[in-house]
Amino acid sequence: QKEVEQDPGPLSVPEGAIVSLNCTYSNSAFQYFMWYRQYSRKGPELLMYTYSSGNKEDGRFTAQVDKSSKYISLFIRDSQPSDSATYLCAPQGAQKLVFGQGTRLTINP
Amino acid sequence: DAGVTQSPTHLIKTRGQHVTLRCSPISGHKSVSWYQQVLGQGPQFIFQYYEKEERGRGNFPDRFSARQFPNYSSELNVNALLLGDSALYLCASSLGILYTGELFFGEGSRLTVL
Repeated sequence: QKEVEQDPGPLSVPEGAIVSLNCTYSNSAFQYFMWYRQYSRKGPELLMYTYSSGNKEDGRFTAQVDKSSKYISLFIRDSQPSDSATYLCAPQGAQKLVFGQGTRLTINP
Repeated sequence: DAGVTQSPTHLIKTRGQHVTLRCSPISGHKSVSWYQQVLGQGPQFIFQYYEKEERGRGNFPDRFSARQFPNYSSELNVNALLLGDSALYLCASSLGILYTGELFFGEGSRLTVL
């Protein structure tokens, strides 16, 4: 079993839709939970991060962590074609990030 | 300010050869980490260096090695290349040893092994 599981998609939605991206993890020691966005042939770009359980909002993006169920979510409101990318969840372990497989998202105009 | 810079951006090698990849961290960052990203997968941790010392190592064979220089730049070396080493190699820098949301990636070096 992988430490972090993420549905690879691909996920295709119309512009303006609400997008929900999810990961599950197995290591209860994780405290910081990152979301990265990666455009094709580029390096990952940090979107936002959350400490422990709870929600964090940044513009159209909301990150949510439920440590009791080991579940991580990223919600995108009013999705735009420029949001089309691969989204990677990455809990922080000791001296490293443990990445999910990434979900490939396409927003159709 | 310049972000994390990596070189070369693309390279092609043949099996059995050796490769050296280079990374310059963001100014002021003292920690450099290396990740391997195979096509269609998330990045996998290879090494972390902080203040020129190895502070973490992922599950990679001894063919993989790295070092960090006094100016905090870093090199990743891979010996006896295999076809399966074809991947995007990502360098990331952070201020300190713990990321706490401050890990920044470069654009990567795309290695193709034939």
